[in-house]
Amino acid sequence: GQSLEQPSEVTAVEGAIVQINCTYQTSGFYGLSWYQQHDGGAPTFLSYNALDGLEETGRFSSFLSRSDSYGYLLLQELQMKDSASYFCAVRAPAQGGKLIFGQGTELSVKP
Amino acid sequence: DAGVTQSPTHLIKTRGQQVTLRCSPKSGHDTVSWYQQALGQGPQFIFQYYEEEERQRGNFPDRFSGHQFPNYSSELNVNALLLGDSALYLCASSAGTGNTEAFFGQGTRLTVV
Repeated sequence: GQSLEQPSEVTAVEGAIVQINCTYQTSGFYGLSWYQQHDGGAPTFLSYNALDGLEETGRFSSFLSRSDSYGYLLLQELQMKDSASYFCAVRAPAQGGKLIFGQGTELSVKP
Repeated sequence: DAGVTQSPTHLIKTRGQQVTLRCSPKSGHDTVSWYQQALGQGPQFIFQYYEEEERQRGNFPDRFSGHQFPNYSSELNVNALLLGDSALYLCASSAGTGNTEAFFGQGTRLTVV
C-alpha cells in the first residue's frame, strides 16, 4: 500500500521556527514534494526533494532521508500569513505524474 | 499568465444527477490531473490526461470519467452522484507527465444534496 503520515496540527508563535515531519511508505519513490493550502484555496507548490539532504528556498527548507523514508518542512521566521495546511506528497516511478498526498498538517501561527 | 482556471467555483447537485467540471491548464502545460479533496483530507488522485488520453487512474469508480481537448483543457464528469461525492475537485496542470511541480486551480466545490 501507499501511505504518508504527518501530524494533524501544529501551533507556533510569530517569529518562531516550526518543523513539519512526514514519513512515507510507497511502492517506489521519485521524490517528496510539499504544498501549502490556505482555507478554500489552491494548493501551492513549495519544494521538491529527489535526493537526500536539505533544499532551501527563502524562509522555507525541506529535507529528505530516503533510507529512513522521512522528510520534513522547516518554516523559519514564522508570519501570520503562514497559517495554512501543509501537505507532503510522494511521486512514485510507477505512478508517472500521480501525486500521493498525506492528510495534511494544519499550522496555526499565533501573535 | 492566467494560471490554472476551473469552472464553476461552486455547484450544488441532487443525488443521482450528473455533473461536468472544467479546467484550463496553465499556459504551456499539456498535462492535466484531477484530484478530489474531502474536507480535512489531502487531495486524492482521480486520473491524469496527456495527449487527449487517460494515462493513469486512481481508485475511483467508472462513474468518474474525463476528457482532454486538443487545446489541453479538460473536463471531469461524474454520473449518478452520491452524497459522498461532495468535495473540492482540484485540477492540476504540468508540462509533461513526470514534471515535479504541479500547478493547481482554485477548485470546484461540489455539494450533493
